Amino acid sequence: DTGVSQDPRHKITKRGQNVTFRCDPISEHNRLYWYRQTLGQGPEFLTYFQNEAQLEKSRLLSDRFSAERPKGSFSTLEIQRTEQGDSAMYLCASSLGTTGYTEAFFGQGTRLTVV
Amino acid sequence: AQSVTQLDSQVPVFEEAPVELRCNYSSSVSVYLFWYVQYPNQGLQLLLKYLSGSTLVKGINGFEAEFNKSQTSFHLRKPSVHISDTAEYFCAVRRLSGNTPLVFGKGTRLSVIA
Repeated sequence: DTGVSQDPRHKITKRGQNVTFRCDPISEHNRLYWYRQTLGQGPEFLTYFQNEAQLEKSRLLSDRFSAERPKGSFSTLEIQRTEQGDSAMYLCASSLGTTGYTEAFFGQGTRLTVV
Repeated sequence: AQSVTQLDSQVPVFEEAPVELRCNYSSSVSVYLFWYVQYPNQGLQLLLKYLSGSTLVKGINGFEAEFNKSQTSFHLRKPSVHISDTAEYFCAVRRLSGNTPLVFGKGTRLSVIA
């Protein structure tokens, strides 16, 4: 068990470019979450998968954002036409289970800077 | 909808002194309650959680928290802090029913002074 892995750890991009982040959850975890954390704020929910199905999306997830989890394992989060307001830490978390409480384990995040 | 208010954005405290980080929540349904810690440039680590049962819960690193339903609070405490406790602390809630995501407060920056 190597924990939740996120790649890259840091990304600097020019405004208007597209970026893609990857999250590898803990093996066999069926739930996967994406959060965004801006400076001085707590993490805010973006979207959630159970296996390969995207079950919930936040209003924060504009149409420039898309997330996938094609085989129910790793997930990608793509931001198209990045804006300076997209600068944030993007956190991924995973958990195991279908009902009740299960602990969510967080990755170390991908810090995006849009210049 | 749920919301979390962390009443202090920054808490400085001397080493070996006690500390309390305050958290209040709002929810029309029953919730689970959590405290997470985040070290610089790291992800979040679960400190402790309240699911049911005893209202006093103990977590890692000597932290504990008490759930107070009437005051809708879940304050975090440690009797004696160490330099290594310097970090950002987040209170979070989650509905009992459904696969709902965590809702976080804005965080409290704990700075332990030698």
